[in-house]
Formats: sequence, structure tokens, C-alpha cells
Amino acid sequence: GAVVSQHPSRVICKSGTSVKIECRSLDFQATTMFWYRQFPKQSLMLMATSNEGSKATYEQGVEKDKFLINHASLTLSTLTVTSAHPEDSSFYICSAAPTGTGGYTFGSGTRLTVV
Amino acid sequence: DAKTTQPTSMDCAEGRAANLPCNHSTISGNEYVYWYRQIHSQGPQYIIHGLKNNETNEMASLIITEDRKSSTLILPHATLRDTAVYYCIVGGSGGSNYKLTFGKGTLLTVNP
Repeated sequence: GAVVSQHPSRVICKSGTSVKIECRSLDFQATTMFWYRQFPKQSLMLMATSNEGSKATYEQGVEKDKFLINHASLTLSTLTVTSAHPEDSSFYICSAAPTGTGGYTFGSGTRLTVV
Repeated sequence: DAKTTQPTSMDCAEGRAANLPCNHSTISGNEYVYWYRQIHSQGPQYIIHGLKNNETNEMASLIITEDRKSSTLILPHATLRDTAVYYCIVGGSGGSNYKLTFGKGTLLTVNP
């Protein structure tokens, strides 16, 4: 089946630094990928839609200059959390779907802790 | 996208069928019903989706009422590994570029 690989699975960074999270579709091409954030005991919240070769579309309230998304190829999207602060500590998850399948495959998530 | 209503939590005995309900009374004609689940600290997992007809795959069955205002996800023989939060989501068009809006879902606990 379709596999989405997300890396790293865990990262701890200092306040003020930037962190890059990678999301790769391993056995299919994805023109669209989605990035979610999940705080403890809450549901997933869609942050942005990543489009290959064009700018990402951000959900209301998500700062595009803080959460930089790059989708440079059909198999890779990256999310960079810039100038991270403790309130950015969260579980970040990406997803993508092979064309026509109807069901999304999710990455295993990245646990970001900003200290 | 239409909203969904699910019970906050449910329990099920191991080996028995788990029936998870979902109300989506404002669903529109071309919107699909999707089910995903999330095991603790993992990314969500796709289970099944449907438009009008009942669907079955290796994981579960999806029963959609004739008026499409509600549906039930059935796990025929629940195991301990099925303990997870189950999300019923309405939207999309069956393709691969729709947004998923997650609600709070149902925490299913399978007990030994």
C-alpha cells in the first residue's frame, strides 16, 4: 500500500531556532500534501495544503512566515518551523494520497519540543 | 463541509463486533463519508469510505443509511489493537485532493 515517510519522528530544539520536518511519499507521486498539527488531547488541525511547484495554501490563523512549506518535487514536502517557541511544541503530521484512491495515508508524525 | 456528531467514547469486548455511529445530517449529495482512526501517538490511518452504498474491506464495513444522514462503522471482531480514536469525516468527492476536517472522534476502548 501507499507509504508516507515523515522525518524526524522526534526533535528537541532551543527557542529561537528553526526546525525542518520532511514528508516523503515513498511509492507514489503526490501533487498535494497536507500538514496538520495536534496538541495534547486535541484533534488534528489542518495547517496548510502543500502544492507541488506552487505556493502552499494556509488555513486561517496559521502564520505562513513562521511555518514555511516547500513542495519542490512530487514526492517531498517540507515544513520548517522558524524561530520556534515553546508554544510551537506539538505533534506535526503530514498526509498524501495516490491519485484516485480516495483515502489518505499519513506520516507517523513528528513530536516537536521547543525548550 | 458537513459536520459530524460522534459519541465521545465507547467500549467493546475483545472478539465482539464494534459498531461506531456517526451522524451527518447536513451531508450534501456529492460528499463522501470517510473513516480514519488514530492510535495513540501515531499518524491517523485510513479505514474506509463510501458515498451511498455499503462498503466492506479487510478492515471494516461501512453502513450508510438510505437518507445518508448517518452511518455506522463496523469492526467485525475487535481486538485490543483496535483501541484508538475513530474519526468520521464528511467531504471530498472521492478523489485525492480534498481537505480532511477532523472532529473529536470516538475513543474506542477494546477490553480483554
